[in-house]
Amino acid sequence: AQTVTQSQPEMSVQEAETVTLSCTYDTSENNYYLFWYKQPPSRQMILVIRQEAYKQQNATENRFSVNFQKAAKSFSLKISDSQLGDTAMYFCAFMKQYSGGGADGLTFGKGTHLIIQP
Amino acid sequence: KAGVTQTPRYLIKTRGQQVTLSCSPISGHRSVSWYQQTPGQGLQFLFEYFSETQRNKGNFPGRFSGRQFSNSRSEMNVSTLELGDSALYLCASSLPGTGVLSSGYTFGSGTRLTVV
Repeated sequence: AQTVTQSQPEMSVQEAETVTLSCTYDTSENNYYLFWYKQPPSRQMILVIRQEAYKQQNATENRFSVNFQKAAKSFSLKISDSQLGDTAMYFCAFMKQYSGGGADGLTFGKGTHLIIQP
Repeated sequence: KAGVTQTPRYLIKTRGQQVTLSCSPISGHRSVSWYQQTPGQGLQFLFEYFSETQRNKGNFPGRFSGRQFSNSRSEMNVSTLELGDSALYLCASSLPGTGVLSSGYTFGSGTRLTVV
């Protein structure tokens, strides 16, 4: 079974600063995907960024980027030029990929509550 | 296009009752997954349906069940409710097959179930 660990229950930074959220995972699988989801007070989980394990290049989506270290099983999220709207719970998630192309359900970490201060 | 729609948004039930939650996926998404979110246990996978068949199941008792209809809409049922079933239940839809790997899951806003 896979486990996902987010060691920072809460973080607070000033607007426009850069912040990095940590995530480590444990798995014996070789084929998998990693995701960061954001959950604002509206409760809806919003996909922030995803990373295929077989790709060495780190994924980037506008102000959001990841540092994926497969050997260390680490998947951190960096938010640049943070904005008030970034305030939310952030969840790291793992998804096992089957050889036939299907995928397993998501395994989530406990989340990090990120607060952007004005 | 319309997102994932979950109904109802809020629900209060009495211990011992049963409840049915509904999820309408994004048009074209044929895979529907359900998750339970609680402060103590976090987000936990319940089950996944594709083409009206349950493909994967998490570690939950048999009181938790689901089904998917031919139009991909899904329902989740919890029988003999316990206080510990109070949670936010999230539904997520995805493209079929390898599509989930490229697009991930799209979540609804959830149903907040309170058992009293």
